[in-house]
Amino acid sequence: NAGVTQTPKFQVLKTGQSMTLQCAQDMNHNSMYWYRQDPGMGLRLIYYSASEGTTDKGEVPNGYNVSRLNKREFSLRLESAAPSQTSVYFCASRRDRVDSPLHFGNGTRLTVT
Amino acid sequence: DQQVKQNSPSLSVQEGRISILNCDYTNSMFDYFLWYKKYPAEGPTFLISISSIKDKNEDGRFTVFLNKSAKHLSLHIVPSQPGDSAVYFCAASVGGGDDMRFGAGTRLTVKP
Repeated sequence: NAGVTQTPKFQVLKTGQSMTLQCAQDMNHNSMYWYRQDPGMGLRLIYYSASEGTTDKGEVPNGYNVSRLNKREFSLRLESAAPSQTSVYFCASRRDRVDSPLHFGNGTRLTVT
Repeated sequence: DQQVKQNSPSLSVQEGRISILNCDYTNSMFDYFLWYKKYPAEGPTFLISISSIKDKNEDGRFTVFLNKSAKHLSLHIVPSQPGDSAVYFCAASVGGGDDMRFGAGTRLTVKP
């Protein structure tokens, strides 16, 4: 089992460019999440999807859009990248039980110049 | 506003000794708490959790203590090993829900 797979691992964008971060999980989890990690801030929730066909805003959704393509895949799109979006992005998934922990991918390091 | 705080950015301990990592929270509705461990260039991995109906949970060398009145939890690692060197994140949620809040992390270094 690969778990949670994120692509790409690294990306450099110029201000105003767009890109989509891809995430797929093979654990048959219903819930999927996108976090960003910044120094001194911990991980902050951008968007999540509790099931196929639903998405909800997290703590820091501005500047992002998401698509839950199917049960396995949850993508994060930056329509017009800004330097403030330079960060490490983590995708995660978990089972439906309330005491289930998150399973994270290995992250995408994004730099916006 | 940061509802989960880890006030020590780093901690260094000797191999074999106890490591104590601390976490404070401000939202009294939080009732489910987790610790994650993160190595460089990897995603965080789940370590141990505790619900508010308990004040202690143990898993091998790892014990989490919860003090609800002080809104404080701590992770004890005994004995510490060099392989424990990583960044540790504290996280909390209401009812184990989707909006999980994380602290900024504490970098633990265990010296041989």
